[in-house]
Amino acid sequence: DARVTQTPRDKVTEMGQEVTMRCQPILGHNTVFWYRQTMMQGLELLAYFRNRAPLDDSGMPKDRFSAEMPDATLATLKIQPSEPRDSAVYFCASGLQLTGARGNEQFFGPGTRLTVL
Amino acid sequence: AQSVAQPEDQVNVAEGNPLTVKCTYSVSGNPYLFWYVQYPNRGLQFLLKYITGDNLVKGSYGFEAEFNKSQTSFHLKKPSALVSDSALYFCAVRDISGNTPLVFGKGTRLSVIA
Repeated sequence: DARVTQTPRDKVTEMGQEVTMRCQPILGHNTVFWYRQTMMQGLELLAYFRNRAPLDDSGMPKDRFSAEMPDATLATLKIQPSEPRDSAVYFCASGLQLTGARGNEQFFGPGTRLTVL
Repeated sequence: AQSVAQPEDQVNVAEGNPLTVKCTYSVSGNPYLFWYVQYPNRGLQFLLKYITGDNLVKGSYGFEAEFNKSQTSFHLKKPSALVSDSALYFCAVRDISGNTPLVFGKGTRLSVIA
């Protein structure tokens, strides 16, 4: 049963520390998304990649957040330095999006619950 | 621009009664429409989607949704609610002519009361 995996599942850190979240997309999927979920803002798209190339990261605070795909099996989201307002659940999702087949759904990982003290 | 509205933050229904979770959308062209469910401390799970064809789409766990182009709606329904259906439900849309991620609504919390 193919699924998106994320590590760590929970992270508690202190303000100012670097946080790295990792995601392994479903094998064969060519598109990876990073979302942030909070009670106040709901589900926000931070960034997404297709074929490992970043397509849009306009949802991300550029000064402290960075997202990369070093290879097809790993996506990372890094926060440096972290702040209490970054506390949220961060979801990775992957999908197969091809020209003429844009109706495919996205599959979500279980999320990383980040708490910045 | 694409957008989704879920007008109800919370829906309460008695077990065994039919349930409806509302969703309206806005896209410049024709839509692809999706419903996802999120259980506590879990990621979003795909329930069903409308791509083309029959306006009534059947999905997982007995859920179905009806695409109504004239009303730009895609309401989620189930004939008989279960307590285990209690969760957060998200509607999402993508314009079929675009090459963009899904746009999600803010979610509707469904509580099924025994």
